[in-house]
Amino acid sequence: NAGVTQTPKFRILKIGQSMTLQCAQDMNHNYMYWYRQDPGMGLKLIYYSVGAGITDKGEVPNGYNVSRSTTEDFPLRLELAAPSQTSVYFCASSSKVGGNQPQHFGDGTRLSIL
Amino acid sequence: QQPVQSPQAVILREGEDAVINCSSSKALYSVHWYRQKHGEAPVFLMILLKGGEQKGHEKISASFNEKKQQSSLYLTASQLSYSGTYFCGTERAGANNLFFGTGTRLTVIP
Repeated sequence: NAGVTQTPKFRILKIGQSMTLQCAQDMNHNYMYWYRQDPGMGLKLIYYSVGAGITDKGEVPNGYNVSRSTTEDFPLRLELAAPSQTSVYFCASSSKVGGNQPQHFGDGTRLSIL
Repeated sequence: QQPVQSPQAVILREGEDAVINCSSSKALYSVHWYRQKHGEAPVFLMILLKGGEQKGHEKISASFNEKKQQSSLYLTASQLSYSGTYFCGTERAGANNLFFGTGTRLTVIP
């Protein structure tokens, strides 16, 4: 049971570099989400998707981009990394079929921008 | 739109009870509860839909008062394994996403 898989688990970037955080789920969930969690804080929604080809901004989308070309994958792109983007990034997925369903989280990507 | 959780932190001895509250200023369709252990991903506990229902999960239960837009998580006879940070996530009708609170750090000591 893989569930939601995030890669890489850890990454250090220099200011101005770019990278893509990968997220894949094998549960055939139509809804997928990207959150960031700063130390001692809650989860802030960056972007979400309700199905392949459909994405929408969350609370803190600036500095990020997403795409959803398949049901399984939902990569998050950081362009021109800044120290303020140092955080733990969680990807989650949800079914939303048959009523309200829980979100299943990946193990997270710990990103440091130096 | 972020819900407010209280208390921010609580320390319990094994066997003691605790209540964690989650309040929103917006009309809610549902409230989700998650627990996150240090360095790990959040894990789903339960969902409450509007209608004032209560749910239980082992010795952890919750209620949702839709008139007050408040939910409470009840931890009974706490165990060491209950330690972690508890988050509520609130959903408005017609929305496709949750807003999470800042969390309540629960520490259970022997």
